[in-house]
Amino acid sequence: DAGVTQSPTHLIKTRGQQVTLRCSPKSGHDTVSWYQQALGQGPQFIFQYYEEEERQRGNFPDRFSGHQFPNYSSELNVNALLLGDSALYLCASSRGEGMGIQYFGAGTRLSVL
Amino acid sequence: AQSVTQLDSQVPVFEEAPVELRCNYSSSVSVYLFWYVQYPNQGLQLLLKYLSGSTLVESINGFEAEFNKSQTSFHLRKPSVHISDTAEYFCAVTEPPGRNTDKLIFGTGTRLQVFP
Repeated sequence: DAGVTQSPTHLIKTRGQQVTLRCSPKSGHDTVSWYQQALGQGPQFIFQYYEEEERQRGNFPDRFSGHQFPNYSSELNVNALLLGDSALYLCASSRGEGMGIQYFGAGTRLSVL
Repeated sequence: AQSVTQLDSQVPVFEEAPVELRCNYSSSVSVYLFWYVQYPNQGLQLLLKYLSGSTLVESINGFEAEFNKSQTSFHLRKPSVHISDTAEYFCAVTEPPGRNTDKLIFGTGTRLQVFP
């Protein structure tokens, strides 16, 4: 049983560019959450998708957007990249009624130069 | 609003010694509590969870945590650590489902460094 998979593992972009990160949830999971983990910090909640809609959003600007597909996979898009967007981006999946138990992927490390 | 405080940013300890990683939370409602572990260059792995029932929860690799509602704490303990326990440990809280949210609120993490 494959766990949560994320791609790519590493990414280097320059300021002002746009980036798309991808996530496939664990089998049987229908909810995907995205987190940003800056160096030396705990993960910060970006948003969560359920039934192809954004269910909840954290304190992130509109430059951060997402999408969930009918197969429950998800994308995170970040426009107009800033240096401060450099971080590890983590995807977590769960079942809609899974009592908050989220399973994380290995993350995508984004470096903005 | 919920918040999590991990009082120690780093905990150095010798192999086979006991360890306690402290976690306090703030919430006006009942919560679910979690400990996640992050090994270098990896994602987060669920270590243990408290949802309801017994306030003492255990993991398969010897860690345990006790939910203390009066002190709003969920400290992580292990009686004898191994070199392989060296990692970053994150405490997290979430409101129980049914409130249309299960986002995790994380602490800033505690770096456990085990020395031989």
